[in-house]
Amino acid sequence: ELKVEQNPLFLSMQEGKNYTIYCNYSTTSDRLYWYRQDPGKSLESLFVLLSNGAVKQEGRLMASLDTKARLSTLHITAAVHDLSATYFCAVDPGTASKLTFGTGTRLQVTL
Amino acid sequence: ETGVTQSPTHLIKTRGQQVTLRCSSQSGHNTVSWYQQALGQGPQFIFQYYREEENGRGNFPPRFSGLQFPNYSSELNVNALELDDSALYLCASSSPGGGWTEAFFGQGTRLTVV
Repeated sequence: ELKVEQNPLFLSMQEGKNYTIYCNYSTTSDRLYWYRQDPGKSLESLFVLLSNGAVKQEGRLMASLDTKARLSTLHITAAVHDLSATYFCAVDPGTASKLTFGTGTRLQVTL
Repeated sequence: ETGVTQSPTHLIKTRGQQVTLRCSSQSGHNTVSWYQQALGQGPQFIFQYYREEENGRGNFPPRFSGLQFPNYSSELNVNALELDDSALYLCASSSPGGGWTEAFFGQGTRLTVV
């Protein structure tokens, strides 16, 4: 059974500082998603990582994938309040888009 | 915004009742997956429909059932509702046949069972 673990579960960030969220998964997969979710809302797709070594960046967020280590990271540069949300990674073990989600990381940015 | 639409957006039901949730997939997508997200947790895969057939199921009891129609829209039915069925239900459409495509999520249906 595929297991996906994120850490930390909660991250209190100071504005302007850098942080990293980690996503570990238990079986081989070449496809990993990162989503953002605001309270009461659906999932907003941030990144889709499709191969070992993939790195994608959008604004203050950068995601990378190491399939050999079964690890993805989401790096936040110079946190701002607008980034406060819950972030999920999700792994697609095949080609059929049946996703297994991590536990989520709730980010809170404080002044 | 994605082209995946769900209805209704909110729903309140009584324990023991039955509910039907609907999902219209994005144009060109032939696969719909359903997820349940309880409060404070990550989404859990319920099942997937591909070309009107169930194509994989997560760890959910048989009272969770579904349908997919020729236009690839889908329904999720839950019988004998329990309080623990209260959750955000998300559908995602994709088109993996012949190659991988990204899954796109709808806005969700918030189900409250009282």
